[in-house]
Amino acid sequence: AQKVTQVQTEISVVEKEDVTLDCVYETRDTTYYLFWYKQPPSGELVFLIRRNSFDEQNEISGRYSWNFQKSTSSFNFTITASQVVDSAVYFCALRDSGTYKYIFGTGTRLKVLA
Amino acid sequence: GAGVSQSPSNKVTEKGKDVELRCDPISGHTALYWYRQRLGQGLEFLIYFQGNSAPDKSGLPSDRFSAERTGESVSTLTIQRTQQEDSAVYLCASSLGLAGAPTDTQYFGPGTRLTVL
Repeated sequence: AQKVTQVQTEISVVEKEDVTLDCVYETRDTTYYLFWYKQPPSGELVFLIRRNSFDEQNEISGRYSWNFQKSTSSFNFTITASQVVDSAVYFCALRDSGTYKYIFGTGTRLKVLA
Repeated sequence: GAGVSQSPSNKVTEKGKDVELRCDPISGHTALYWYRQRLGQGLEFLIYFQGNSAPDKSGLPSDRFSAERTGESVSTLTIQRTQQEDSAVYLCASSLGLAGAPTDTQYFGPGTRLTVL
């Protein structure tokens, strides 16, 4: 069965600190896709990244980076030099190939304090 | 429009009344999803539409909930005889609908916040 686990319910950091949000997934499919979404206080989920299971290369986008490790079924998200505007709830999601269903984790609330 | 739009943004209703929530997907997106998000909780899948195929209604919590979609355009989620437990943010998302394609990604609307008094 598919499952996405975000064990960190809430994280608080001080501005400029680095922070890593953990995501562990379960699937029996060999081809699947992983996603991260940001939900700021305004409520709208914003797509951040999609990774394919056959591409384990890590990705960096500005202050954001993602570490995909199939060996540990993890897809962790790191924010470097966090800013107050990064405060949001972050969701990790999984979709198996050939299916339309996205399985979302329960989210991690990140609070960045000035 | 450029993104998914939803209306109304906020809806306050009295217990027992019916409500209709509207979603306009991104143009060209054949797949459309509805989710419910209770306060402080994750996303709860409600229903999925893909083109002219029969929708996946497996997530609808009761027969008071229904949804329709006209072709590959607007969708309406209807909740009849609303209960206080229905209070939540209802999110709509759309995607290209290429279920097996690596590029299929959901894009979300701003949601409708429903409050049942």
